[in-house]
Amino acid sequence: IQLTQSPSFLSASVGDRVTITCRASQAISSYLAWFQQKPGKAPNLLIYAVSTLQNGAPSRFRGSGSGTEFTLTISSLQPEDFATYYCLQLKSSPFTFGPGTKVDI
Amino acid sequence: QVQLVESGGGVVQPGRSLRLSCAASGFTFSSYAMHWVRQAPGKGLEWVALISYDGRNTYYGDSVKGRFTVSRDDSKNVLFLQMNSLRAEDSAVYYCARDFFRYSGSGTYPDYWGQGTLVTVSS
Repeated sequence: IQLTQSPSFLSASVGDRVTITCRASQAISSYLAWFQQKPGKAPNLLIYAVSTLQNGAPSRFRGSGSGTEFTLTISSLQPEDFATYYCLQLKSSPFTFGPGTKVDI
Repeated sequence: QVQLVESGGGVVQPGRSLRLSCAASGFTFSSYAMHWVRQAPGKGLEWVALISYDGRNTYYGDSVKGRFTVSRDDSKNVLFLQMNSLRAEDSAVYYCARDFFRYSGSGTYPDYWGQGTLVTVSS
């Protein structure tokens, strides 16, 4: 299963609403997660099962979608949110990550 | 608290082998499936392998299937990745990660991650 993400790069300001889209080459039910990664650091699980917020993740992050199209929305971008975001499908092996979306200032 | 510490990375020649380890602590290791994920320098994440909580099931990414083997030693709380026939394109930071749910046979979401170990394949 292939994943694409759009945009690949996003320039935004603090306070902006940001939306990242992840599309799968076939339906993946609810087996989708979102990760945030900052330079030099391991990825951090933000959302799993499409829309469930991981413990400790800020409520400004919201996941939605179904079938083959999914979105990650940051309602009001904060300085600590500038990072690269990846989606991951676990519907079937081999699991696959999207190519990433870099959110920059 | 959950801790995962990878080791075993380094510089290796193409065609040679390397074994990575991931020492786990802070949770009941034998109850969780474990993942390996890698990231080439400046590139995105690539899922590499998964081993079920009981070690009965293993899964691999297409690019490593037949060359890499994931295993675990529950008596020592250690996860392994045996990498054979290494290629330049295997150069990456390798992360181990714990699965989200206990007793998963086929893997779910990687929640806790180590800090990674760098593998460089070069002559």
